[in-house]
Amino acid sequence: DTGVSQDPRHKITKRGQNVTFRCDPISEHNRLYWYRQTLGQGPEFLTYFQNEAQLEKSRLLSDRFSAERPKGSFSTLEIQRTEQGDSAMYLCASSRTGRAAFFGQGTRLTVV
Amino acid sequence: KNEVEQSPQNLTAQEGEFITINCSYSVGISALHWLQQHPGGGIVSLFMLSSGKKKHGRLIATINIQEKHSSLHITASHPRDSAVYICAVRKTQGGSEKLVFGKGMKLTVNP
Repeated sequence: DTGVSQDPRHKITKRGQNVTFRCDPISEHNRLYWYRQTLGQGPEFLTYFQNEAQLEKSRLLSDRFSAERPKGSFSTLEIQRTEQGDSAMYLCASSRTGRAAFFGQGTRLTVV
Repeated sequence: KNEVEQSPQNLTAQEGEFITINCSYSVGISALHWLQQHPGGGIVSLFMLSSGKKKHGRLIATINIQEKHSSLHITASHPRDSAVYICAVRKTQGGSEKLVFGKGMKLTVNP
């Protein structure tokens, strides 16, 4: 499978716990994006990597959120001390510069 | 006001009908995407266009840069077309090529 894959697909966690999501982009794609989608809304930009460099972060990304792409391949998104408002679908997308983005299936986070 | 607006928000159609989904945007863009999202979350990119018209199977996407408007047409609609259709734009400012999304339009095609 050469698409964008995300793991896990679903995560239920208790408020206050830390969670980490993983995204494996299409191998030759240099750009990787994280978006968040709440129910009934379109996705919103969180952060973006070009190769291993994190070049842009949204104001939506509070201090509790951190993302990495250590070798310019897979990426992780960690949320510390989760809150109920963090419940959402977290989408990863990858692309080559100037080309269309390909999306993963998303990780649905539920904070209880 | 959202930078990307879609209309209608919901649409129910009968199988075989011709469907049009509209998208208007208020910013300068380098490209516009039409995306399809099925229940369960996965997003599939249908089209990326910066001018004119593209066609793939029963789907046609058009864009008018001057009017800042795009349409997605579905001919001979089928129940499997039922999904949320999302318009997203890549703004010209900045180099990240991040997308700004509309809220999506939920399409239900009844047999």
